[in-house]
Amino acid sequence: RKEVEQDPGPFNVPEGATVAFNCTYSNSASQSFFWYRQDCRKEPKLLMSVYSSGNEDGRFTAQLNRASQYISLLIRDSKLSDSATYLCVVNLKGEGSASKIIFGSGTRLSIRP
Amino acid sequence: SQTIHQWPATLVQPVGSPLSLECTVEGTSNPNLYWYRQAAGRGLQLLFYSVGIGQISSEVPQNLSASRPQDRQFILSSKKLLLSDSGFYLCAWGGWGRGGANVLTFGAGSRLTVL
Repeated sequence: RKEVEQDPGPFNVPEGATVAFNCTYSNSASQSFFWYRQDCRKEPKLLMSVYSSGNEDGRFTAQLNRASQYISLLIRDSKLSDSATYLCVVNLKGEGSASKIIFGSGTRLSIRP
Repeated sequence: SQTIHQWPATLVQPVGSPLSLECTVEGTSNPNLYWYRQAAGRGLQLLFYSVGIGQISSEVPQNLSASRPQDRQFILSSKKLLLSDSGFYLCAWGGWGRGGANVLTFGAGSRLTVL
């Protein structure tokens, strides 16, 4: 079983739509959670952190359910510029001060005009 | 501010040839450093991470190795490349986010094609 699982998509939605991505993780000892965004042929960049209390940043809302080991990302009023691959990320305890940081395989989102 | 440099950006190598990818970080000391590989159309696979000079944690037992000869330098190597080593190699440093979590900042990546 993969440590972090995501629906690969692609999700193809019209501009202005609301879209939701889900992610599950297998290790209950996971410590922290994030969503990253990766544009085609570019490096990933941090989108937002995910907390049990929820985290909202403009049109983006992330939520963590520790009991179900489930992470979600909601994008409201989607824009053409939101087209990208969204990566679910889980930090595990690593050696020393480092986290072992595990990425899901990503969910591809395409926004159409 | 912190910056991360990775090179070369692109390379094409024959099967069986050696590999050396280099990553350096500026503007921070004693960073946690990471190497990932992304095969075409796939997710990021953690290869190695390091908490300090000479300290390497290996996640994938393959024909790759990593070294950290200086605090802000992280090198990925292979003695003999395989076709399956083709991919997008990403170096990252772990900064501190809320609650002390490691948040990654990536270099621009090195795209390797093995023929």
